[in-house]
Amino acid sequence: TQLLEQSPQFLSIQEGENLTVYCNSSSVFSSLQWYRQEPGEGPVLLVTVVTGGEVKKLKRLTFQFGDARKDSSLHITAAQPGDTGLYLCAGEEGGYQKVTFGIGTKLQVIP
Amino acid sequence: DAGVIQSPRHEVTEMGQEVTLRCKPISGHDYLFWYRQTMMRGLELLIYFNNNVPIDDSGMPEDRFSAKMPNASFSTLKIQPSEPRDSAVYFCASSLGGISWTNTEAFFGQGTRLTVV
Repeated sequence: TQLLEQSPQFLSIQEGENLTVYCNSSSVFSSLQWYRQEPGEGPVLLVTVVTGGEVKKLKRLTFQFGDARKDSSLHITAAQPGDTGLYLCAGEEGGYQKVTFGIGTKLQVIP
Repeated sequence: DAGVIQSPRHEVTEMGQEVTLRCKPISGHDYLFWYRQTMMRGLELLIYFNNNVPIDDSGMPEDRFSAKMPNASFSTLKIQPSEPRDSAVYFCASSLGGISWTNTEAFFGQGTRLTVV
């Protein structure tokens, strides 16, 4: 059983469209991170959210941490082909050994 | 800095053979992590080191898996004997300081794709 559920698992959209992917859990996390992973590469950190309700923006990407710190969302505005990749969320319950990764959302942006 | 360097990038081996994966962390980083990624289970932490000392190996699946960090610039993950279910992408990551990921960033290598036939 995955502690972190990511949805959707796959998403294929046209360039210019908006999208939202989700990361949900029944556990409370002290922090949550989002990563992007390209084929043949390791994950690269995009953002860390810590406070319940926190919203962070990274250019066209908007990240939100749920009020109860159990869930998070990633919204991409006007998606571009360069956004293609696997988006992973990782929740920390306290200490490195308590970091749990979701399986990810595989995003394809078609030109 | 060249980032975290892993070798080999791809490894195909027969069941029962010994496999050794290698990692060179970013210079100056004091934490090193080994992860395994599969389609079904995603990224799973196997073991991590702090200042070359193994801190938590509870994620190591079986006694067939072992990891060492003889110095600050090198670590190995060994599987002996290997089995088909060990097929996965193995990542090494390193970070600088911090007790939790809230305060630091882990940098991942490009991974080793292991196939056991």
